Amino acid sequence: ETGVTQSPTHLIKTRGQQVTLRCSSQSGHNTVSWYQQALGQGPQFIFQYYREEENGRGNFPPRFSGLQFPNYSSELNVNALELDDSALYLCASSLRGRSDEKLFFGSGTQLSVL
Amino acid sequence: RKEVEQDPGPFNVPEGATVAFNCTYSNSASQSFFWYRQDCRKEPKLLMSVYSSGNEDGRFTAQLNRASQYISLLIRDSKLSDSATYLCAVLGTYKYIFGTGTRLKVLA
Repeated sequence: ETGVTQSPTHLIKTRGQQVTLRCSSQSGHNTVSWYQQALGQGPQFIFQYYREEENGRGNFPPRFSGLQFPNYSSELNVNALELDDSALYLCASSLRGRSDEKLFFGSGTQLSVL
Repeated sequence: RKEVEQDPGPFNVPEGATVAFNCTYSNSASQSFFWYRQDCRKEPKLLMSVYSSGNEDGRFTAQLNRASQYISLLIRDSKLSDSATYLCAVLGTYKYIFGTGTRLKVLA
C-alpha cells in the first residue's frame, strides 16, 4: 500500500452541486497532486500543492480549487458540477527535491454527476 | 501533438508470449520517466522507473531512447495476471504527464 488515503471512495452528485474530496499524503511526503481520469483516458493533471500553495495547474477551470494543510493533507473542491466532471479523481503524493521524485497514488474517488 | 503518446491497444497475447509497448514524449528536456500499471478502475501503481541505461525487474525491462524520445516496456513470459493497462509517465517542469495507457490482455 502507498499510504495515500482518499475519501470518499464513491460519490454521486447532481449538476450544479459542489463537492469536496479529501486526501492524506504518504508520511514524509510534502507535495500533493490531483488528477482527473475519465474512462479510457490517462490521468489528467489538475493541480499540485507544495508548502500549502498551488504550484502548478493543468487545463482546468477555476471552479476546480484546492487546499493543502500543514500536515500535507489536501482537499479538492469542485463547484457548479457538470456532467463531464464524472470521473475517477486521483490524489498522489511525492517528495519534492528528490532527483527521482516518484508519484504514489491513493485509491481514488469515483465521482458520478447526474 | 500530445505531450505523451501511447498506442491504446488492446494487445491480446497468449500466456508465455513476449510483448513490448512504446511511449513517445514531446519535451526533449524531460528528465524522469516511469511505467505504471493500472487495473480496471483502480489507482495506477508504480511499476518501474526508466533510466538511460535501462532497468530490469524480473520479467520486466524498461528502456529510454532519448534520441528518438521514447520509452519502452518489455514483458517476457506473460502471465494472466499481467492483464492490465500500462501507463507511461513523464516528469515535466513540476508535473507528471501520463499517456492514455496501453491495454494488455493475456489469454490462456
